[in-house]
Amino acid sequence: DAGVTQSPTHLIKTRGQQVTLRCSPKSGHDTVSWYQQALGQGPQFIFQYYEEEERQRGNFPDRFSGHQFPNYSSELNVNALLLGDSALYLCASSMARTASYGYTFGSGTRLTVV
Amino acid sequence: AQRVTQPEKLLSVFKGAPVELKCNYSYSGSPELFWYVQYSRQRLQLLLRHISRESIKGFTADLNKGETSFHLKKPFAQEEDSAMYYCALRDYGQNFVFGPGTRLSVLP
Repeated sequence: DAGVTQSPTHLIKTRGQQVTLRCSPKSGHDTVSWYQQALGQGPQFIFQYYEEEERQRGNFPDRFSGHQFPNYSSELNVNALLLGDSALYLCASSMARTASYGYTFGSGTRLTVV
Repeated sequence: AQRVTQPEKLLSVFKGAPVELKCNYSYSGSPELFWYVQYSRQRLQLLLRHISRESIKGFTADLNKGETSFHLKKPFAQEEDSAMYYCALRDYGQNFVFGPGTRLSVLP
């Protein structure tokens, strides 16, 4: 089991552009959460997807959007990129009915906005 | 509002010395507290959960609701314990609120 896989691992974009990040959850997991980790800070919750719907959202603007597919994989889209969007974006997966066991995190996508 | 604080950005101890990584939280309700660890060049991984009352790699953490703390402790630090440690609280929506993290450096 490869666990949670994220692609790409690194990405450089220009301010104002749009970006799509991808996540495949751990086998058997049906819930995907996205986190943003700025340099020197802990991860911050962006949103969570379950049954192809956004179930909860953190304090992030509408420029951040997502999607979950029938195979449980997920995408994070960020429009109109700002320099401050530069961060490590983490995907975490879990099973809805056993979420108390914690999440499995991916290695992340390092986004640099120039 | 839910909040997790870790007052130390960096904690350096010598091998064999006791370690205590501090974590305080603010939360209205019954919290679920976790410790996550990130070793160099590895992904974030769960270390322990307060509800399981387990000891992982010699680490323990006790939830103190009176002091709203969940400090991580180990009696004898090892060099392989050097890593970034994050305290996290799970909120009503089942998502995690992370602290800023403490980098533990165990010196030989």
